[in-house]
Amino acid sequence: QKEVEQDPGPLSVPEGAIVSLNCTYSNSAFQYFMWYRQYSRKGPELLMYTYSSGNKEDGRFTAQVDKSSKYISLFIRDSQPSDSATYLCAMRAAGNKLTFGGGTRVLVKP
Amino acid sequence: DAGVTQSPTHLIKTRGQQVTLRCSPKSGHDTVSWYQQALGQGPQFIFQYYEEEERQRGNFPDRFSGHQFPNYSSELNVNALLLGDSALYLCASSRKTTATNEKLFFGSGTQLSVL
Repeated sequence: QKEVEQDPGPLSVPEGAIVSLNCTYSNSAFQYFMWYRQYSRKGPELLMYTYSSGNKEDGRFTAQVDKSSKYISLFIRDSQPSDSATYLCAMRAAGNKLTFGGGTRVLVKP
Repeated sequence: DAGVTQSPTHLIKTRGQQVTLRCSPKSGHDTVSWYQQALGQGPQFIFQYYEEEERQRGNFPDRFSGHQFPNYSSELNVNALLLGDSALYLCASSRKTTATNEKLFFGSGTQLSVL
């Protein structure tokens, strides 16, 4: 079993809809949780960074962490075709090494 | 402000050969990490360099080695290439601080194909 599980998708939504993404994990030592966006043939771009449990909002993006359930989520409001990409969750314990999920491919159709 | 830069962008090698990939960190960053991303998968941690020393290593064989230079740039070397080494190799940089909330910024990667 992988330490971080993420549905590969693809997740197809109409423009303007809310995109809902999530990851589950098994390592209770994870304290820092991130979401990255990756366009084809590009490196991951940091979207959201959260420490421990709780919610964080930044523009159209909301990240949620529930450490008791070992479950994290990312919501994208008012989705745009330019949001079409692969979204990677990542997390780490006290060290610097990131453990990634496999990524979810998102398609936002005009 | 230049971000993380990697070279080359693409590389084709044959089995058994050796390869060197290069990375320049984002301005103000002093720590470099390398990740391997196979097609359709998330990145896997290879190792991290800080103060010119390998500080942490993932589950990769000794064929994978690295180096960090005094200007914080880094190289990843892979010896005796296997077909399974074909992947996107990502460099990420961060700034080591006394706080633990280091944020990693990635380059666009080097796409390595082993034939």
